[in-house]
Amino acid sequence: DAKTTQPPSMDCAEGRAANLPCNHSTISGNEYVYWYRQIHSQGPQYIIHGLKNNETNEMASLIITEDRKSSTLILPHATLRDTAVYYCIVRVVLTGTASKLTFGTGTRLQVTL
Amino acid sequence: DSGVTQTPKHLITATGQRVTLRCSPRSGDLSVYWYQQSLDQGLQFLIQYYNGEERAKGNILERFSAQQFPDLHSELNLSSLELGDSALYFCASSVGQGNIQYFGAGTRLSVL
Repeated sequence: DAKTTQPPSMDCAEGRAANLPCNHSTISGNEYVYWYRQIHSQGPQYIIHGLKNNETNEMASLIITEDRKSSTLILPHATLRDTAVYYCIVRVVLTGTASKLTFGTGTRLQVTL
Repeated sequence: DSGVTQTPKHLITATGQRVTLRCSPRSGDLSVYWYQQSLDQGLQFLIQYYNGEERAKGNILERFSAQQFPDLHSELNLSSLELGDSALYFCASSVGQGNIQYFGAGTRLSVL
């Protein structure tokens, strides 16, 4: 799986959009970008994933650059409950093939009043 | 609530002992994954089972073993425990092998 680079920490004011960047310059054509978050010591929580196109769900939006070398996770209206460590993971997804998640150090997002 | 159940939530034991951690996957999920999270190593993949068969191994120690039973629940066995085995152990499950993984709340193991 391709290596990812994320800033170690970010701050965001409550109610504002949180934009979390991720660099994955060695990503290959069949690798997806996944985002998970971990609130305190709880189990990691799936947020969103995508291959090429931008994706949106009820939690967040994922913007992937055209060359796929970087992406941004957007939390449109951050709340205090979004304070967590956010992990950007690149992995191959092949049906029927074992596929682990390789977690890096992530970005610690602190949402403040 | 992810639908993945891990028991026990906390476990305190002594060095040299053996413990078993249990995981019940989400209904319908055939794959189970085990991860270890320690302060110095972060979240690390240990092992994966799919429909009862081992499918992938990470940096799992020889003292550790796992299995997935016919009802699809899984157990992670840790033996000859050392202080350094103190960590959070997470189980995740997915429908197939390449699908989204959903994590349980974890078992916090303290080896004294």
